[in-house]
Amino acid sequence: LAKTTQPISMDSYEGQEVNITCSHNNIATNDYITWYQQFPSQGPRFIIQGYKTKVTNEVASLFIPADRKSSTLSLPRVSLSDTAVYYCLVGDINTGGFKTIFGAGTRLFVKA
Amino acid sequence: GAVVSQHPSRVICKSGTSVKIECRSLDFQATTMFWYRQFPKQSLMLMATSNEGSKATYEQGVEKDKFLINHASLTLSTLTVTSAHPEDSSFYICSATLQGIRSTDTQYFGPGTRLTVL
Repeated sequence: LAKTTQPISMDSYEGQEVNITCSHNNIATNDYITWYQQFPSQGPRFIIQGYKTKVTNEVASLFIPADRKSSTLSLPRVSLSDTAVYYCLVGDINTGGFKTIFGAGTRLFVKA
Repeated sequence: GAVVSQHPSRVICKSGTSVKIECRSLDFQATTMFWYRQFPKQSLMLMATSNEGSKATYEQGVEKDKFLINHASLTLSTLTVTSAHPEDSSFYICSATLQGIRSTDTQYFGPGTRLTVL
C-alpha cells in the first residue's frame, strides 16, 4: 500500500509558482520526506529532502508543518521543461531493511 | 556524483528467453540496491531489495525464481528475467543508496531498461 497521497494531476503556466502537497499521515519518527521528478522513459531524479520546517535548494523548496503529516513541494517560476511526474516518498523502515513505496505521483503539465 | 547506470537501455527478446539487466553505481559503493518495475502511465513498483553479499528480499507477489537478483559487489547488481513472456514487458529501473538502511538515504536511480518480449 502506498503511504502517501498526492493530487493525480496539476496544470500550470510558464512562470508561475507551483505547489504540490503530499499527505503522509502515518509518517514514522525517523522517516524523512523525499521528492523525486520523473520524465517519460527515464529514472526518477532526486529533487529535495527534508525532515521538518523548510528546506530550500537551487531548484525547489519543501515545506513541512510541525506534525509532519503532510509536505508541500514548491517549484518557483516553472517552465515547460518542468512538465513531469513528481513523487513524494517517505522511508519505510521494516524488519529486514529500508524500503520505499512509490505512490501514484502528481503529473504536472506546464503550458505556454 | 552518485551516478547509477543500467545496461542495456532497451532490449527486445523472444518469449521463453532470459534477459539480464545490469545496474552499476559508477562513483560510489552501494550497500543496498533496489529494483523497480514500471508499466505505462503507472507508478514505480518495488520488486526487491538487494544487499551486497546476501540474498535479495522480494516484495509480495514477485516471483523470486523468475526474477533472479544477484548483488555480487558493492557496485553491481543484476536482474535476470527468466523465461520471459510478453506480460513481463515493462520499464525496469534500479536505484542505489549510499549508506544502507536508514531513512535519510537518498536513492539514486538508473536511467531504466525498456524490456519488450515478443
